[in-house]
Amino acid sequence: SQKIEQNSEALNIQEGKTATLTCNYTNYSPAYLQWYRQDPGRGPVFLLLIRENEKEKRKERLKVTFDTTLKQSLFHITASQPADSATYLCAAISGGYNKLIFGAGTRLAVHP
Amino acid sequence: NAGVTQTPKFQVLKTGQSMTLQCAQDMNHEYMSWYRQDPGMGLRLIHYSVGAGITDQGEVPNGYNVSRSTTEDFPLRLLSAAPSQTSVYFCASREQGGKNIQYFGAGTRLSVL
Repeated sequence: SQKIEQNSEALNIQEGKTATLTCNYTNYSPAYLQWYRQDPGRGPVFLLLIRENEKEKRKERLKVTFDTTLKQSLFHITASQPADSATYLCAAISGGYNKLIFGAGTRLAVHP
Repeated sequence: NAGVTQTPKFQVLKTGQSMTLQCAQDMNHEYMSWYRQDPGMGLRLIHYSVGAGITDQGEVPNGYNVSRSTTEDFPLRLLSAAPSQTSVYFCASREQGGKNIQYFGAGTRLSVL
C-alpha cells in the first residue's frame, strides 16, 4: 500500500543551526509533495508544495527538495529559532479526488 | 475570514452514545474533508465531499456518517461511539482544482469511555 514515512523520533537542535527533516514515500510516485506545520492543540498549516519535476523549492528560511530516485523529500529550516519548534507533516497526493496521504510527522525542538 | 471552524473543541462520550461534530468554512471551498489523528499515525481520511450533496468514503469510514447540504457546512456524525473512536478530529477544506492545499480547523478532541 502507499505509505509516507517520517522519522518518529524528535529532532533536537541548537538555535541558529539548520534543521533537516526527512519524508520517504513507498509504493507509488506522487505528482507532488506538501509540507505542513502543526503546533500543539492546533490544526496543520500549509507551508510548501514541491512538484515532481522540481528539484528544490524555497520560501524565506525554508527549503524543500524532491528526489524521485530516492523517493524522498527533505525539509530544511535554516537559522532555526525556538519559534520553529513544532511538528512537521509531509503529505503526498494519491489517487482520485487528489487525496492526500499524510506522514505521522516529526517533532522539531529548537533550543536556545 | 474565520477560515474553518470546528465545534466543540473537546467532548467526552460514553460508549454507545451518538454525537455530531460540526465544521463550517467561510472560504466558499467546494471540497471538504474529515480526518482523524492518532498518536504515531498520520492523518487518516474518514469522509470527504466534493460539493453540496456529494460525499464519499475515505480510508476509515466505519462508524461515521456525513452529509453536505450546504457549501459551508460538513458535519460528522458518530452513530454509536466506541473507545476506538477516541482521537483528535480535523475538518479541512480546499479549493476545487489547484494544488490541493488543505485548510484545517483547530480540531475536536474526543474521548470515548
